[in-house]
Amino acid sequence: TQLLEQSPQFLSIQEGENLTVYCNSSSVFSSLQWYRQEPGEGPVLLVTVVTGGEVKKLKRLTFQFGDARKDSSLHITAAQPGDTGLYLCAGAGYGGATNKLIFGTGTLLAVQP
Amino acid sequence: NAGVMQNPRHLVRRRGQEARLRCSPMKGHSHVYWYRQLPEEGLKFMVYLQKENIIDESGMPKERFSAEFPKEGPSILRIQQVVRGDSAAYFCASSLTGQETQYFGPGTRLLVL
Repeated sequence: TQLLEQSPQFLSIQEGENLTVYCNSSSVFSSLQWYRQEPGEGPVLLVTVVTGGEVKKLKRLTFQFGDARKDSSLHITAAQPGDTGLYLCAGAGYGGATNKLIFGTGTLLAVQP
Repeated sequence: NAGVMQNPRHLVRRRGQEARLRCSPMKGHSHVYWYRQLPEEGLKFMVYLQKENIIDESGMPKERFSAEFPKEGPSILRIQQVVRGDSAAYFCASSLTGQETQYFGPGTRLLVL
């Protein structure tokens, strides 16, 4: 069983479209991080959200942490081909263990020019 | 500002050989984590180390796998008598305090023939 479920698993869209990726759990996390991973590379940190209800913006990317700190969403406005990659959410603090991240199932995004 | 460094980036071993994966954390970081990404699976926590101490090895296979982070030098993940099922991407991450954001290296892709 996966603690963090991401949806959708795969997403193929045209340049300029908007999209939202969801990261859901029935468990509470002390913080949640979003990463993007490209083929052959390691995950690159996009953002960390800590407070329930927190919203963070990074250019065209908007991240939200659920009020109960069980879920999160990533919204991309006007997607570009450079946004293509595997998006991973990762929760910290599950079961009181702050030291390890629980990763989501991943969302593979392809933005067509 | 050098990020997390891992070497080698690719490693090929025959069944029964030993694999040694090295990780140098970001400058100033004394907390190191190892994760494994099996084909078609997500990233899974393996072990968390501070200098000279293993803090949490709850994700490590019981046999053949070991990790260390000596006072001087990189962290080492060692896999003895490798089997085909060990083929995966192994990622190292580091953090400043152990309770903050983890930054990932580019990974070592291990292929066992």
